[in-house]
Amino acid sequence: GESVGLHLPTLSVQEGDNSIINCAYSNSASDYFIWYKQESGKGPQFIIDIRSNMDKRQGQRVTVLLNKTVKHLSLQIAATQPGDSAVYFCAENSDDSWGKFQFGAGTQVVVTP
Amino acid sequence: DGGITQSPKYLFRKEGQNVTLSCEQNLNHDAMYWYRQDPGQGLRLIYYSQIVNDFQKGDIAEGYSVSREKKESFPLTVTSAQKNPTAFYLCASSRTASSNQPQHFGDGTRLSIL
Repeated sequence: GESVGLHLPTLSVQEGDNSIINCAYSNSASDYFIWYKQESGKGPQFIIDIRSNMDKRQGQRVTVLLNKTVKHLSLQIAATQPGDSAVYFCAENSDDSWGKFQFGAGTQVVVTP
Repeated sequence: DGGITQSPKYLFRKEGQNVTLSCEQNLNHDAMYWYRQDPGQGLRLIYYSQIVNDFQKGDIAEGYSVSREKKESFPLTVTSAQKNPTAFYLCASSRTASSNQPQHFGDGTRLSIL
């Protein structure tokens, strides 16, 4: 799910299907992770967070999975709806970096009817 | 309604001009942050403030200045020294500046050069 250059990776999903968005992180000391959703022209919106003492957390229609062994985070959206079309990005933070997060560039999710 | 309000939504800067972006929060959060977002890139930290009357440089502070005279307010000035100011600017806040605190964002200000 990380971008290269100016163009974000795009995930095209049919309405009603499940979406899986991936994020690789590099800092093995990272212990807190957040997924954000950003619609065009708006600020990022908090979706769900997870701490490193967990490997799965569920919210409403969303599930975050954390694999610390391979430093990988994923966001699953169940029954994707048109309103889910947005850029999704992950943020990571470590205990020794106060409130300073590292943000991924994101993945563009496009929901088709 | 609690939240973060950024204004204006769109701003245009002339050469040699300083412009100030407003950020106000009514969440009673101690910590506030300014980020810059460019196409295809992750957010980059410009300045942050852990508490009123205190602020620190982030990763890309050159050409920017801030103040934190009130808990609710954290304005960002883009000075003429910032040679590439065209970007989407996002303000965020968190309850404290400690780790494991989610940051909540305003809806941004888009700055362009005339």
